[in-house]
Amino acid sequence: GAVVSQHPSWVICKSGTSVKIECRSLDFQATTMFWYRQFPKQSLMLMATSNEGSKATYEQGVEKDKFLINHASLTLSTLTVTSAHPEDSSFYICSARDVTSGGKEQFFGPGTRLTVL
Amino acid sequence: GENVEQHPSTLSVQEGDSAVIKCTYSDSASNYFPWYKQELGKRPQLIIDIRSNVGEKKDQRIAVTLNKTAKHFSLHITETQPEDSAVYFCAASVNSGYALNFGKGTSLLVTP
Repeated sequence: GAVVSQHPSWVICKSGTSVKIECRSLDFQATTMFWYRQFPKQSLMLMATSNEGSKATYEQGVEKDKFLINHASLTLSTLTVTSAHPEDSSFYICSARDVTSGGKEQFFGPGTRLTVL
Repeated sequence: GENVEQHPSTLSVQEGDSAVIKCTYSDSASNYFPWYKQELGKRPQLIIDIRSNVGEKKDQRIAVTLNKTAKHFSLHITETQPEDSAVYFCAASVNSGYALNFGKGTSLLVTP
């Protein structure tokens, strides 16, 4: 099956710093990737939809200037948490659509656990 | 937008018993309903899905039913095993390749 990777798998940073998370589709092309956030013992909440070569679409309540998304190629999307604060500590998971299957399949990355001190 | 409700939030069953998790959705345009199993600290794993043109789908011990008129769908796990213990999420979307709206999750515990 299709594989989606994320890097790093976990990161600890100081308050006020920025953190970049990468989401890669390893064996397929993904015109669309999704970024979700999951707080402990809660559900996955969609943050934004990342489209290759165009601006991301953010969900209501998600600050686009704080969560910068770049989808520069068909295999890579990045999420940068700028000026991170402790309340941004969460599990960030991306998913990607497999274009070659007609976009019918969506595969999740392993997630990135962000801890902001 | 789509609102997905999931019940119960926790479910404890004895090994060998059946488990049922129910979800409702609000957007009549939704036509794809996957179920995911998530173990602690890991990615969600798709276990079964159903599309709106089908009322029921089964894969070994797992089955999903959909009532499009009532806008609800359910996950049925038979002959539960301890390794079935995890958090299960239902989701809904307009199409399978689109963003998913998740339910709040059900923590299933199967005791030996």
